[in-house]
Amino acid sequence: EDQVTQSPEALRLQEGESSSLNCSYTVSGLRGLFWYRQDPGKGPEFLFTLYSAGEEKEKERLKATLTKKESFLHITAPKPEDSATYLCAVQVYGGATNKLIFGTGTLLAVQP
Amino acid sequence: NAGVMQNPRHLVRRRGQEARLRCSPMKGHSHVYWYRQLPEEGLKFMVYLQKENIIDESGMPKERFSAEFPKEGPSILRIQQVVRGDSAAYFCASSPPGVESDTQYFGPGTRLTVL
Repeated sequence: EDQVTQSPEALRLQEGESSSLNCSYTVSGLRGLFWYRQDPGKGPEFLFTLYSAGEEKEKERLKATLTKKESFLHITAPKPEDSATYLCAVQVYGGATNKLIFGTGTLLAVQP
Repeated sequence: NAGVMQNPRHLVRRRGQEARLRCSPMKGHSHVYWYRQLPEEGLKFMVYLQKENIIDESGMPKERFSAEFPKEGPSILRIQQVVRGDSAAYFCASSPPGVESDTQYFGPGTRLTVL
């Protein structure tokens, strides 16, 4: 069964304290890995798509990387406005579906 | 370019009533997806539709739930005879046709409360 596991469940950082969030996956055939940010009471906001091992994407203080078994979301010098739940999701090969399989997320709190 | 729109944002129903959730995809997007987020759980896929077609409904409960995406108008997720366990946030996402169809953009969600 295709599965996505995120760790840690929650992370508290001081402003400026860099860290990484982990997303490990077990899938039959990875078609793409996605990172989203979700603020309380809102829908997920798209951040990155990664397709192959070794690929990296960057946006402001965030950088996403991908290996054959996991992805990392690196947060450099975070600010309080980076506080949110970060969601990882995968798409797999097979059939005509584009469905996303989500992990349960990492709740990030950045304190000033 | 307006994002994915969902209405209502909040919906309260009593047990046994029907709930209708609406989703208008982003302009130019022809793929629509519905996900459900239960309290303290992750987002779970329900159904994937293109205009007038259901492509994948593997995540839809077998009874009481149905979805459509007509040629004209929004996509509708319909829940008949709601029960307390249906209380959740329901999110719609859309993606464009063609090679960029992988990336899904989400709406703000409809929060359903069943009394």
